[in-house]
Amino acid sequence: KNEVEQSPQNLTAQEGEFITINCSYSVGISALHWLQQHPGGGIVSLFMLSSGKKKHGRLIATINIQEKHSSLHITASHPRDSAVYICAVHRPGGADGLTFGKGTHLIIQP
Amino acid sequence: ETGVTQTPRHLVMGMTNKKSLKCEQHLGHNAMYWYKQSAKKPLELMFVYSLEERVENNSVPSRFSPECPNSSHLFLHLHTLQPEDSALYLCASSQVGRGRNTGELFFGEGSRLTVL
Repeated sequence: KNEVEQSPQNLTAQEGEFITINCSYSVGISALHWLQQHPGGGIVSLFMLSSGKKKHGRLIATINIQEKHSSLHITASHPRDSAVYICAVHRPGGADGLTFGKGTHLIIQP
Repeated sequence: ETGVTQTPRHLVMGMTNKKSLKCEQHLGHNAMYWYKQSAKKPLELMFVYSLEERVENNSVPSRFSPECPNSSHLFLHLHTLQPEDSALYLCASSQVGRGRNTGELFFGEGSRLTVL
């Protein structure tokens, strides 16, 4: 079992829908990242958070440290939001301290 | 533009070839990383240079050889690769404190490698 689990693995929705992607982890962490990867391959960091909630435009990320769970929400989704969304956590051990989920493949249809 | 540039973007090589991937960061960071991304798998750390110290992942085969001549440049030298090494190779950088990565990662666009 992966230390970082994301759900769903795949999600197709219509433009305008409210999107939620979930991330659960089983290890102690100091911070959690949400990353976005477009079909071209490059990865962009969306959020780094260790508690509470952060908002950037139509994106909202929340984390509950006690429940070891984080969610990424997209409001008023748009086809350009179509991408793979990756959750990664900072662990105390490991060369770079990061453990990645497998990603959620999101498609927003017009 | 993330400030991390990778070349080439695409590479096709035979199993007997020797090639190199290059990464350059313009962010003033003190740590650089090579990650491998295979289909249906999470990102896997291959190598990290942090505060001029190389940290290896012992599961990386010796046919992959990293080189970090300075804090802005990172290479991945490839020789006698296998078809299963075909993947997207991503470079990233970050600012490290006390040898641990606690900061935001900035990724390059990746180099798509195909081994025939």
